[in-house]
Parts: sequence; C-alpha cells; structure tokens
Amino acid sequence: AQKVTQAQTEISVVEKEDVTLDCVYETRDTTYYLFWYKQPPSGELVFLIRRNSFDEQNEISGRYSWNFQKSTSSFNFTITASQVVDSAVYFCALSEGETSGSRLTFGEGTQLTVNP
Amino acid sequence: DSGVTQTPKHLITATGQRVTLRCSPRSGDLSVYWYQQSLDQGLQFLIHYYNGEERAKGNILERFSAQQFPDLHSELNLSSLELGDSALYFCASSPETGSSSYEQYFGPGTRLTVT
Repeated sequence: AQKVTQAQTEISVVEKEDVTLDCVYETRDTTYYLFWYKQPPSGELVFLIRRNSFDEQNEISGRYSWNFQKSTSSFNFTITASQVVDSAVYFCALSEGETSGSRLTFGEGTQLTVNP
Repeated sequence: DSGVTQTPKHLITATGQRVTLRCSPRSGDLSVYWYQQSLDQGLQFLIHYYNGEERAKGNILERFSAQQFPDLHSELNLSSLELGDSALYFCASSPETGSSSYEQYFGPGTRLTVT
C-alpha cells in the first residue's frame, strides 16, 4: 500500500532563513507521481509541483526547490530566504498511476511558521 | 483561484440530517475527486469520477454517495450525519485523460459542521 510520511509536524523559522520540508514515500509501483501542495490559513489547497517517477531532476522555481531521490524514496522541498507569506501547512502527496488510479495519498502535513 | 468552485462554503446542520455538496470543475477537466480533511484522519480520498463514471472509491462511508452529471459538475451527498462527519470537504479536478496522473486543482472546500 502507498504511504507518505512527513515526519516534521511543525517547523518555525525566522524570516530569510532557508527551510527544508521532508517527505518520504512508500510504493510498490514503478510508475508513480509525487506532488506538493500548500494550504495557507485561508484553507484552500494550492498545487505547487508534480514530478513523475522517471524524472529525478531537481527543480527550482523562484525561491522554491525540490529534491527527488529515488534511492531514498524522498521528495524534499526547500524554501530559500523564507518570507512570512510562506507560513502555511505543506502537504506531500503520492499517486500510483498503475494500481490505484490517480487518487492522491497525502502525508500528515508540515505546519511552517515564518516569523518576522 | 484554481477555477474549481464549491458550494456552499459553510454548512451547519444537525445529526441525522442529509446534505448535498456541489462542485464545478475547471473548464475542460473531465475528472472530479472528493476528499475529506479532518483533524483526526487528515486528508483522505473519498471518490473519483471521470466523465460521468465512477472510477475509484476510497474510504467513503456507505452513508455517503456521489455522482457526476453530464455537464461535469459533481455532487457529494452525505446522509444520516454524525458528529464525526464534521470536516472540510474538498473537490478537485484534473485534466487527466486516463493514461497519466496529472495535478489536481482543488476548490476552496465546504466546511461542514454537524451539531
């Protein structure tokens, strides 16, 4: 069965610090997809990134970067020079395209608080 | 704004009652998903519809049902409500064609409170 673990329940940093959110996944499929979503205090879920299991290239988008390592089943998310507006709950999610369709299995989420 | 709309935004009802949550997907998206977010269970997949047909079921209670209409909007029906059904219910849509797993765009959610 698929599983996503976000071991960090809460992280608190001061503005401009870099912060990395950890995500470890379990799956038996060879084809799968990984996602990160942001849930700000307003409650909506905002899509950040999608990565398929065959693409291990790291990705950078502005202050956000993602490190996908198949060998350790991890898909970590780094925010560089954090800002107060980054305060939110961040969810890592997994979709096993072959066995479970496209349903997303979410981790427990990491509450990030960026203090001024 | 994701382009996915959900109504109502908030719903307060009593135990034993029945409610209907509505979702309109992004223009062109054929897939609709329903998820439940609660404090004790986290974010859980309930059900997936693709172009009007049920594709997959997750941890959806028998008291809950859903459907997707020809215009692609979807409704989630919750009946015989219990206190534990209080949660945030999200709808998401995806441009997937069935051969790949695409990102899902979430609506703002419906917060259900059962008293």
